[in-house]
This record gives sequence, C-alpha cells and structure tokens, in this order.
Amino acid sequence: DVKVTQSSRYLVKRTGEKVFLECVQDMDHENMFWYRQDPGLGLRLIYFSYDVKMKEKGDIPEGYSVSREKKERFSLILESASTNQTSMYLCASKGDRAANTGELFFGEGSRLTVL
Amino acid sequence: DQQVKQNSPSLSVQEGRISILNCDYTNSMFDYFLWYKKYPAEGPTFLISISSIKDKNEDGRFTVFLNKSAKHLSLHIVPSQPGDSAVYFCAASSLQGAQKLVFGQGTRLTINP
Repeated sequence: DVKVTQSSRYLVKRTGEKVFLECVQDMDHENMFWYRQDPGLGLRLIYFSYDVKMKEKGDIPEGYSVSREKKERFSLILESASTNQTSMYLCASKGDRAANTGELFFGEGSRLTVL
Repeated sequence: DQQVKQNSPSLSVQEGRISILNCDYTNSMFDYFLWYKKYPAEGPTFLISISSIKDKNEDGRFTVFLNKSAKHLSLHIVPSQPGDSAVYFCAASSLQGAQKLVFGQGTRLTINP
C-alpha cells in the first residue's frame, strides 16, 4: 500500500525558530511536493522536486527552503519561522515524471503553529 | 491569480440526494483534472480524474463532468451518504506545468441524515 509519512503531526514553535518538516515516501516516486493548506485558499504549492538534489519553486516559496538528499525523503525548512507560517503542511509524491497525468499521494499533514 | 476556483465554500445536502460540486478554471492549457476528498486532520485522498479528451468519467457513485468550452467541471455524488461529508478540492494540471497540480479553495460538503 502506498505510504507518505510526515514525521510530525503537530508542532508548536516560536517566532524566529528554525523548523524542519520531514517527509518520507515508500513508493520509489521521482516527484515530491510540499503544499500548505489555509482556509479559503486551498492548497498552495511551496516547492517541489522531480529528482534527488533537484528542486523547483512553487507558487509561494518565500520564507521556505527544501532538501532532497535521498529519493524517498523531502524536507521542508523554515529558516526563521513567522506567525504567518502557521498552517497545515502537506507533503505529496507522484511517480511518472514524463506525464502530467496521475494522482498525487498525500501524507497526513503537519499542523504547525508559530507563536 | 486563482487559476482554479471553487466558488461555493460549503454545501449541505440531504442523505440519499445528489451532491453537485462545481469548479471553474481559467488556464486553457489545463488538460487533466482531479477531485480530492479531505477529512479533518488527514491528508487529501484521490477520488476521480478526467482527461480533457473526455467530457465524463464515472466511478461508482461519483461522476465528473468536464465542459471545456465553459472551462467548468463538476463532481456529482449520488446517492450522497453521511461518510461523504468532507472538504472536496478540485485540481488541474497541464503538460507545460510538468507535475504541478493547481488546487481550488475547496468546498465543505455536509450530508444531513
């Protein structure tokens, strides 16, 4: 069965702290994504990666960075957390790099609160 | 610039009746569309998809309709069941957009017994 695992379901951090959100997939997928979900705004793409050590900016990359050192792991980093980064963060993966069809498989989400 | 729009934040339907969720898009390059379902505190799960070469795709109680000229798609659920209560997101992608999915704002569907 397909599995995308996010390391932390709930986090509370203080403004200015560095935050790491980890995501691991067991499907040998090439593509991995980080979205954030906010009420009324839907899911917005932060960063994605289509291969190890490759990364592409999504629609809202400001204040975030990512790391993909291994195919199965994609990390989202908040260098200096701010209150407007309080959100639900969703990691997803997808195979078949050659086509835009096919579904994303999501993790259960990491709810981050920045005080 | 919201390329995928779900203009109804919420929808309430009686159990057993039909639920119709709507989605509009602006980018004519989109050629693949998906619906996801999300329960609270869980990640979205894939429900159904449709390619732009089709105008209808059916899977059990779920049917997606695509009207390319109107840049509109809809998800029909019939009959609606209490377990269908969730937030539904439509999403779209294009070959030029590579693997990126663009999501709408979501519609919260409540099925009343």
